[in-house]
Amino acid sequence: GENVEQHPSTLSVQEGDSAVIKCTYSDSASNYFPWYKQELGKRPQLIIDIRSNVGEKKDQRIAVTLNKTAKHFSLHITETQPEDSAVYFCAASKPGGSYIPTFGRGTSLIVHP
Amino acid sequence: ETGVTQSPTHLIKTRGQQVTLRCSSQSGHNTVSWYQQALGQGPQFIFQYYREEENGRGNFPPRFSGLQFPNYSSELNVNALELDDSALYLCASSSTAGDDTQYFGPGTRLTVL
Repeated sequence: GENVEQHPSTLSVQEGDSAVIKCTYSDSASNYFPWYKQELGKRPQLIIDIRSNVGEKKDQRIAVTLNKTAKHFSLHITETQPEDSAVYFCAASKPGGSYIPTFGRGTSLIVHP
Repeated sequence: ETGVTQSPTHLIKTRGQQVTLRCSSQSGHNTVSWYQQALGQGPQFIFQYYREEENGRGNFPPRFSGLQFPNYSSELNVNALELDDSALYLCASSSTAGDDTQYFGPGTRLTVL
């Protein structure tokens, strides 16, 4: 089955810096890669996603890049703010039935004011 | 708000007992997936229901079972509870008529003593 590795497990940055979280996946058939943000005690919230027909997608301060050849994708957050502090999860899924994502283990992002 | 609701919010059980967790999907969504999230881990896929049928299952024993009802709401049942079943149980709904993006409920925190 699919295996998703996520790094780093913890990321500490100063407010205003950029943050990058990287994920690799094992199944070359995977074609949908969402990113979720989970604040303490709350549900995971979808923040951005990318499909395999594009290499990059941006939404304000957040961007995701995908390299299908290398089977890795990354989340980029620019101009970080304290409210960006949360656990971020990447996931990968493949077509051929209902979407069943495999999640990474999460990255705890801490933004210091 | 995503519209996915879960009940109860918290639950305390003892080993060997049985538990039923409930999930109401977002309006317009016909698919419900259940996940187990242990502390410090990413969500682990338990199973998915579509049109009242199990439509995929993760690596969980048969004592984890579920149902989906005609209104697309769903139940997760766990028999013979073990201490390791203590976790946050998340359900996520999605629509096969849309982009399959999953939206999570707030979760049920299960503690097994």
